[in-house]
Amino acid sequence: SQTIHQWPATLVQPVGSPLSLECTVEGTSNPNLYWYRQAAGRGLQLLFYSVGIGQISSEVPQNLSASRPQDRQFILSSKKLLLSDSGFYLCAWSGTWDSPLHFGNGTRLTVT
Amino acid sequence: ELKVEQNPLFLSMQEGKNYTIYCNYSTTSDRLYWYRQDPGKSLESLFVLLSNGAVKQEGRLMASLDTKARLSTLHITAAVHDLSATYFCAVDSGGGADGLTFGKGTHLIIQP
Repeated sequence: SQTIHQWPATLVQPVGSPLSLECTVEGTSNPNLYWYRQAAGRGLQLLFYSVGIGQISSEVPQNLSASRPQDRQFILSSKKLLLSDSGFYLCAWSGTWDSPLHFGNGTRLTVT
Repeated sequence: ELKVEQNPLFLSMQEGKNYTIYCNYSTTSDRLYWYRQDPGKSLESLFVLLSNGAVKQEGRLMASLDTKARLSTLHITAAVHDLSATYFCAVDSGGGADGLTFGKGTHLIIQP
């Protein structure tokens, strides 16, 4: 069966510090991968998605970036965090065109 | 741009009652998903609706899709406390791999 791992679970970082969140998927090959952000208490915003190694599409201009160095690895990064980057970051994967997104457990990021 | 609107955004109801959550979307799509989120947790897939007239049921929850009206409903029958959560609908943006657009979620509290 397929599983998705996301870490760390929680993170507190000062403004201006770098960020690296990692997500890996097991049990499937060539998944579509996604990063979403959920602001406190509300809906989800799609940040990046990837349909293959090295292929990244950005949905929202921001100081975040994403990379996919391996088929089942998706990384979210920032060189300098802003207060507004605080939130709940969720990695997700999907397989076939009609399958739902399967989410990781999320990373709760607080920028202080 | 695809817009997904849920209502109500907040619902407090008593155990044993029935209620319906509505999800409207702005552009043509025949793929709609419902998710559940418990406080502080990630999203769990509930239903996948892939065609006009699709109806899915699981326990006390039933979801339906009317693509002509661009409307999906999530009906709760004889609510129990364990169903307290935030429920999201999400619509495929049409590209298949480019992620889902989520509604803002319906925060449901079921009181004894």
